Amino acid sequence: RKEVEQDPGPFNVPEGATVAFNCTYSNSASQSFFWYRQDCRKEPKLLMSVYSSGNEDGRFTAQLNRASQYISLLIRDSKLSDSATYLCVVNLAGRIPLVFGKGTRLSVIA
Amino acid sequence: DAGVIQSPRHEVTEMGQEVTLRCKPISGHNSLFWYRQTMMRGLELLIYFNNNVPIDDSGMPEDRFSAKMPNASFSTLKIQPSEPRDSAVYFCASSLNLNTEAFFGQGTRLTVV
Repeated sequence: RKEVEQDPGPFNVPEGATVAFNCTYSNSASQSFFWYRQDCRKEPKLLMSVYSSGNEDGRFTAQLNRASQYISLLIRDSKLSDSATYLCVVNLAGRIPLVFGKGTRLSVIA
Repeated sequence: DAGVIQSPRHEVTEMGQEVTLRCKPISGHNSLFWYRQTMMRGLELLIYFNNNVPIDDSGMPEDRFSAKMPNASFSTLKIQPSEPRDSAVYFCASSLNLNTEAFFGQGTRLTVV
């Protein structure tokens, strides 16, 4: 099993749709989780951290399922500007720094 | 805060030449990372430093690659000699420590011809 695994997509969704991505991780001792966003030909940027209790930031909701070892990102009311690659990131505290998934590509269509 | 600053933004060089990429991390950050990104392999961690000390360079592809961090505000990644397969975007990132989220520079797009 890969350390961090994501469906590469692309996910093509119409504006206004709700879309969700999952990301599985292999190490049950993983302690920190993040979602990054990367636009074409740009650097990855932190979108949000993922907490055990789940967290929400506007149209974005991130959740952690430790039992099944996955995190999820839900985007409601998709905008054209949400089109990007979303990278799942896992940190095994103190031993291995950020391990990046290969990303899920989202394309929001008018 | 200016964020992580990388230079140059673009570099085109001939095979066999030495290439030096530079990075200034965010002030106060103790950890610094060098990544390489290609379409085929995604984002790969090459090497990382904590408090200016290299911790793990197992991601460095070959002896042609070397990295230094002489002080808390500067790091270099050197490729000597460069080869066409080194063409990629090289990102530098920094974080408060190894457990916290990293912030990326804008990257250096390297093309070796």
